[in-house]
Amino acid sequence: AQTVTQSQPEMSVQEAETVTLSCTYDTSESDYYLFWYKQPPSRQMILVIRQEAYKQQNATENRFSVNFQKAAKSFSLKISDSQLGDAAMYFCAYRSAIYQLIWGAGTKLIIKP
Amino acid sequence: DAGVIQSPRHEVTEMGQEVTLRCKPISGHNSLFWYRQTMMRGLELLIYFNNNVPIDDSGMPEDRFSAKMPNASFSTLKIQPSEPRDSAVYFCASSLGTVARETQYFGPGTRLLVL
Repeated sequence: AQTVTQSQPEMSVQEAETVTLSCTYDTSESDYYLFWYKQPPSRQMILVIRQEAYKQQNATENRFSVNFQKAAKSFSLKISDSQLGDAAMYFCAYRSAIYQLIWGAGTKLIIKP
Repeated sequence: DAGVIQSPRHEVTEMGQEVTLRCKPISGHNSLFWYRQTMMRGLELLIYFNNNVPIDDSGMPEDRFSAKMPNASFSTLKIQPSEPRDSAVYFCASSLGTVARETQYFGPGTRLLVL
């Protein structure tokens, strides 16, 4: 069965610095999509970035970028120039033609002012 | 774009009462998903609809839970009778379709507390 693992329950970073959140997944499929969602204290689930498995180029959205290593089944999120508003739970998720979103357990990101 | 709308945002009820959660998907989206989030189990997919038809309800915990989508712009998740273990945040999400490439957009959630 497909699984998504976030091995870091909590991470902290100094404001304006860079932090990387880890995510690994297990699948036998070749076509799938990966997502990072952010959940601030308001509980709203907000899409941060997505990656198509068939694309070799890593996705970027402003200060957010991913390091997608398909062979290693790794999908990490890098946040540059961290801001106080980035403090949230971050969830990695996997989706394929067979499976709806499969979620990791989440990483709590703390931003130190 | 109003996004996915859920109501109520908070619900406190007593064990045994009926609870109805409501969702309005993004206009034009034809797939709708209901999730439950708890500390113990994380995010769980309860059921999803495509073109108002339930496609997979294998995540619905038991017969006390039911979901309907009478039209493209409205869905309900009902719990009857409610139990304290149903306390959770319930999310509704919608997407343009059920294929993998379609991003799911989430509503703000309904925080349910059953006493």
